Amino acid sequence: DVKVTQSSRYLVKRTGEKVFLECVQDMDHENMFWYRQDPGLGLRLIYFSYDVKMKEKGDIPEGYSVSREKKERFSLILESASTNQTSMYLCASSGGYPKETQYFGPGTRLLVL
Amino acid sequence: GQQLNQSPQSMFIQEGEDVSMNCTSSSIFNTWLWYKQDPGEGPVLLIALYKAGELTSNGRLTAQFGITRKDSFLNISASIPSDVGIYFCAGVYNQGGKLIFGQGTELSVKP
Repeated sequence: DVKVTQSSRYLVKRTGEKVFLECVQDMDHENMFWYRQDPGLGLRLIYFSYDVKMKEKGDIPEGYSVSREKKERFSLILESASTNQTSMYLCASSGGYPKETQYFGPGTRLLVL
Repeated sequence: GQQLNQSPQSMFIQEGEDVSMNCTSSSIFNTWLWYKQDPGEGPVLLIALYKAGELTSNGRLTAQFGITRKDSFLNISASIPSDVGIYFCAGVYNQGGKLIFGQGTELSVKP
């Protein structure tokens, strides 16, 4: 079974703090994705990566950066957290067979005060 | 940008009833995926469809990839209380595997 894990289920941070969200997958998938999910807006793609050290902007990259130093790990970084980044953050990976199928982690609910 | 229209937005049904939801798009997709999300959890893959016209079942769930490649539906037969949750469709529209998600259908099942 594909397993995608996220470092925290719940996180509370203050405005201006630097926040790291970690995602690890154990299926040797090439592709990894970060989404945020907000009521009424659905899932929106922040960043994705097709390979180690590669990153591509998604639909809403502003205020975020990512890091992929190892194939199994994809980190989302909020350089200076703001209240409008309060959200549910979901990590996903794909690359097995079929390649397009994405598998999601349990999510991190982030509250920025 | 590309959008998927998923309907209905919400459904309130009695246990034992059948459920049907669908997604349509103005664009052609190569793959359709259906996910279920429980409150506070990540989406879990239910069914994946890879060919136009394909009809696939997973227990009480059946999904079809429309012939035009612009739509898909999901049926749940004989609903039970644990079917409660939000169901999302997603379309894959390029080789890179990026997904476009529908807005979700929130299902409530009354025992």
